Amino acid sequence: AQKVTQAQTEISVVEKEDVTLDCVYETRDTTYYLFWYKQPPSGELVFLIRRNSFDEQNEISGRYSWNFQKSTSSFNFTITASQVVDSAVYFCALSEAGAAGNKLTFGGGTRVLVKP
Amino acid sequence: KAGVTQTPRYLIKTRGQQVTLSCSPISGHRSVSWYQQTPGQGLQFLFEYFSETQRNKGNFPGRFSGRQFSNSRSEMNVSTLELGDSALYLCASSLMPGGGTDTQYFGPGTRLTVL
Repeated sequence: AQKVTQAQTEISVVEKEDVTLDCVYETRDTTYYLFWYKQPPSGELVFLIRRNSFDEQNEISGRYSWNFQKSTSSFNFTITASQVVDSAVYFCALSEAGAAGNKLTFGGGTRVLVKP
Repeated sequence: KAGVTQTPRYLIKTRGQQVTLSCSPISGHRSVSWYQQTPGQGLQFLFEYFSETQRNKGNFPGRFSGRQFSNSRSEMNVSTLELGDSALYLCASSLMPGGGTDTQYFGPGTRLTVL
């Protein structure tokens, strides 16, 4: 069965600092998809990034970047030059291609607090 | 393009009652999934519907059920409510099902409180 672990429960930083969120996953599938979602206080889960298991190229999108390493089953996410608006709970999620449908398995979330 | 909409946004019920939550997916999206979020269990998958058929179901009792209409709108029902059913219920839509090949976009959720 698939599992996602986010060991950091809460991170507090001062504005403009970089924040790296850790995510470790377990799956038996060889093809799978990894996601990061952001949940602000309003409650809605906002899609941030997605990665396929067969593409380990790391990328940067604006202030967001991610480091996908299959060898260590990790999918870490970095916010560069954090802003107060980045304060939210961030979830890492996994979906297996072999499973029927679109079931997402989420980690426990990491609460990020960015102080001015 | 409008996002996923959920109604109602807030709901208060008492134990033993039943409740129906509604979700309208993004226009053109045909797959709808439901998730339950609680402080203790986190985000858990309830079920997914595509073409009015349930494709996948999470580990929840039979009191939790759902359905999808021909216009892709979906409803979920919880019967005989228990205190532990108090949660944020999130609906997500995607173009197609398919093991994660499509990104799921979430609605604002319905916060259910059971007294």
